[in-house]
Amino acid sequence: NAGVTQTPKFQVLKTGQSMTLQCAQDMNHEYMSWYRQDPGMGLRLIHYSVGAGITDQGEVPNGYNVSRSTTEDFPLRLLSAAPSQTSVYFCASRAGGSYNEQFFGPGTRLTVL
Amino acid sequence: AQKITQTQPGMFVQEKEAVTLDCTYDTSDPSYGLFWYKQPSSGEMIFLIYQGSYDQQNATEGRYSLNFQKARKSANLVISASQLGDSAMYFCAMREGREGNTPLVFGKGTRLSVIA
Repeated sequence: NAGVTQTPKFQVLKTGQSMTLQCAQDMNHEYMSWYRQDPGMGLRLIHYSVGAGITDQGEVPNGYNVSRSTTEDFPLRLLSAAPSQTSVYFCASRAGGSYNEQFFGPGTRLTVL
Repeated sequence: AQKITQTQPGMFVQEKEAVTLDCTYDTSDPSYGLFWYKQPSSGEMIFLIYQGSYDQQNATEGRYSLNFQKARKSANLVISASQLGDSAMYFCAMREGREGNTPLVFGKGTRLSVIA
């Protein structure tokens, strides 16, 4: 199993550009989430999904869109990049049940100039 | 209000000593799970240990143990016999609800530095 994969690993954007961060998992997990990590802020939840076709907002959803058309994929779209979106982005997935650990992708380091 | 509070931004510990990383949480749901993750300088997130709200005993995994005090709403991570490789960021996280349909919420983390 590849686990949770994210592409790209690094990305530099100019203000106003749009892009999609890709996330895929091969563990048939129902739950997938996107987090951003900023120094001193921990991991903050952007959006999450409890299954294909179902998404919901997290703590910091503004400026981001998601969709979940398949169990495997959960892309995160930046609509119009801003310098405040410079961050490390983590995708995560887990099986159902409250006790299951969450598996993380390696992260995408995004810089918006 | 913050659901997970980690009050120690940074900690130092001597190699081979034990260290406790603090975590307090806030929930009104009787069913919840508490998790600890380690993030070394390479950036990956590594799951360490889990404690369920109904678990009668404190969780242990090798050198990691969780000091779970339900009435105080605290879930401190204890690392015994610290090693240089334990130097990392440590995050406490919580998931509410019996069915586990809610996302994992993280604290801001504690940076642990192990000194030789």
